[in-house]
Amino acid sequence: QVQLVQSGAEVRKPGASVRVSCKASGYTFTDYYIHWVRQAPGQGLEWVAWINPNRGGTDSAQKFQGRVTITRDTSIDTAYVELSSLRSDDTAVYYCTRSGILWPRAFDVWGQGTMVIVSS
Amino acid sequence: EIVLTQSPGTLSLSPGERATLSCRARGSVSNNYLAWYQQKPGQPPRLLIYGASSRATGVPDRFRGSGAETDFTLTISRLEPEDFGVYYCQQYGTSLLFGGGTKVEIK
Repeated sequence: QVQLVQSGAEVRKPGASVRVSCKASGYTFTDYYIHWVRQAPGQGLEWVAWINPNRGGTDSAQKFQGRVTITRDTSIDTAYVELSSLRSDDTAVYYCTRSGILWPRAFDVWGQGTMVIVSS
Repeated sequence: EIVLTQSPGTLSLSPGERATLSCRARGSVSNNYLAWYQQKPGQPPRLLIYGASSRATGVPDRFRGSGAETDFTLTISRLEPEDFGVYYCQQYGTSLLFGGGTKVEIK
């Protein structure tokens, strides 16, 4: 079945970086955008960035530009998000999700989420 | 930039009752690229509605999306116990953003 499986929880100190992975299975990886969405504890959903796994193009929300890097490895159907210069307010669950390659499309499959804790 | 405002913040209802959730956009949502998601504690969101009114695969027909341009509604005709949770609207056209959510809780 279609799945997005994410890497495990991470704990980082302020100023450090973190990378989270998202492995796709059950579908053609390059046929869907991968997005990253985060959710701070007790808060709502916030879109972070996307990558087109086919061509490698990316975009991110303005507040993350300069701090977020999205990459993919098509040989293992995996996307990555890296967030640098971490602050305490980056503490959140980070989800990967997908949308159809024919833009725009809603987010129809989600990963299980990865908790990132930023604490000194 | 479009801003999505959901109301009410919390809806307290009993199973079997009708739920009406609102999502209002400051700025028009292009081509009704508006989705609704359901989220339960400890779980990722689940897509319910896309294109303002189309149900996603496997979504029961008690969920109905309606509206256009700046005013959208998600109606749950008769609440089942598994419908309680938080609902988010999302604009996915020219920009990608979510509303603040409406919590549907058991009265």
